Amino acid sequence: NAGVTQTPKFQVLKTGQSMTLQCAQDMNHNSMYWYRQDPGMGLRLIYYSASEGTTDKGEVPNGYNVSRLNKREFSLRLESAAPSQTSVYFCASSPTVTTIVPQHFGDGTRLSIL
Amino acid sequence: AQSVAQPEDQVNVAEGNPLTVKCTYSVSGNPYLFWYVQYPNRGLQFLLKYITGDNLVKGSYGFEAEFNKSQTSFHLKKPSALVSDSALYFCAVRDDVAGGYNKLIFGAGTRLAVHP
Repeated sequence: NAGVTQTPKFQVLKTGQSMTLQCAQDMNHNSMYWYRQDPGMGLRLIYYSASEGTTDKGEVPNGYNVSRLNKREFSLRLESAAPSQTSVYFCASSPTVTTIVPQHFGDGTRLSIL
Repeated sequence: AQSVAQPEDQVNVAEGNPLTVKCTYSVSGNPYLFWYVQYPNRGLQFLLKYITGDNLVKGSYGFEAEFNKSQTSFHLKKPSALVSDSALYFCAVRDDVAGGYNKLIFGAGTRLAVHP
């Protein structure tokens, strides 16, 4: 049972470089999410996709773009990485955005920007 | 505004003793409350949720949580802690707003350390 798979697991970038974080789920969920986790701040929502073909901003969208490639895949892109984007990034999915069910999380991508 | 507070950065407990991890919340509507656990280098795993009904909610791995509306709290509890319970615990709340996407707000997390 793969669930939510994120690649890569670790990445080091230089300031100004670009990168795409990949996420795929095999649970046939409609909704997918990208969070970042910083010490002492919990998880903050960057972007979400309620369903295939739609994306919306979350709490901290600046500096990021997303693509819902198909129902399974939701990618997060950093066009010009900044040290403030050093964080652990989590992708999650759920059947819909409105039903009260838990979100399923991937194991994260640990991103360092020098 | 919606918010979640986990007042303790770390909770230390001896193995076999009861544990409590505290959470308080603030929402404008009815709260939907969740507890998640995170083990090192892993994603968040769902433990339990409160939507409505019985104020005592039972979840995975022997954990339970008590919803208290008057105190706006949702504390996580376990009668007898195990060393393997050592992890980072997150409380989250979702506001009951009609229609649209109801954002999940996470607390900052509490690190639980269970000592042998």
